[in-house]
Amino acid sequence: AQSVTQPDIHITVSEGASLELRCNYSYGATPYLFWYVQSPGQGLQLLLKYFSGDTLVQGIKGFEAEFKRSQSSFNLRKPSVHWSDAAEYFCAVGGNRDDKIIFGKGTRLHILP
Amino acid sequence: DTGVSQDPRHKITKRGQNVTFRCDPISEHNRLYWYRQTLGQGPEFLTYFQNEAQLEKSRLLSDRFSAERPKGSFSTLEIQRTEQGDSAMYLCASSLLSGGTQYFGPGTRLLVL
Repeated sequence: AQSVTQPDIHITVSEGASLELRCNYSYGATPYLFWYVQSPGQGLQLLLKYFSGDTLVQGIKGFEAEFKRSQSSFNLRKPSVHWSDAAEYFCAVGGNRDDKIIFGKGTRLHILP
Repeated sequence: DTGVSQDPRHKITKRGQNVTFRCDPISEHNRLYWYRQTLGQGPEFLTYFQNEAQLEKSRLLSDRFSAERPKGSFSTLEIQRTEQGDSAMYLCASSLLSGGTQYFGPGTRLLVL
């Protein structure tokens, strides 16, 4: 069965520190992987996506993610977080470009000043 | 491109009443998706359309739920005889066929009293 696991419900980091949000997926075929961000009162915004090719994917707002097939992981990273990055982050998997997306439960990111 | 819009943004209703939500996708997007998000969870897939055809429905979509996209443009999601368990954020997304990116609307938050 398709599933996404985000093991950290909450993460707190200091402003300027580096960030890594973990994501593991279970999918029977080649996955299409996504990271979305949701701020309070805002819709889901796509940060980045992996379909094929280079396993290190660059996204918006300085985020990147690395697809590791052997570990079934797609972790999100940012070298230096800003207070405006405080939000909920969702990892998701799909079967092809047009398929429904299966989301993880999310990781809420808190930023300390 | 004005983005995906949803109406209403908030809805409070009494148990047993019917409610209808509307989603206007990005123009020319072939695919339209409905998701439901409850507190502390990631969005869960409900159904999706390609043009006016409803291609897949989740088992989450009970008989009380019906979705339409009559002219392949906007879509409506109706819930009949609402229950307290229907309280959630209902999200709509659209994409261009084979485009690979689903663009989400701001959602309709439903509270069933």
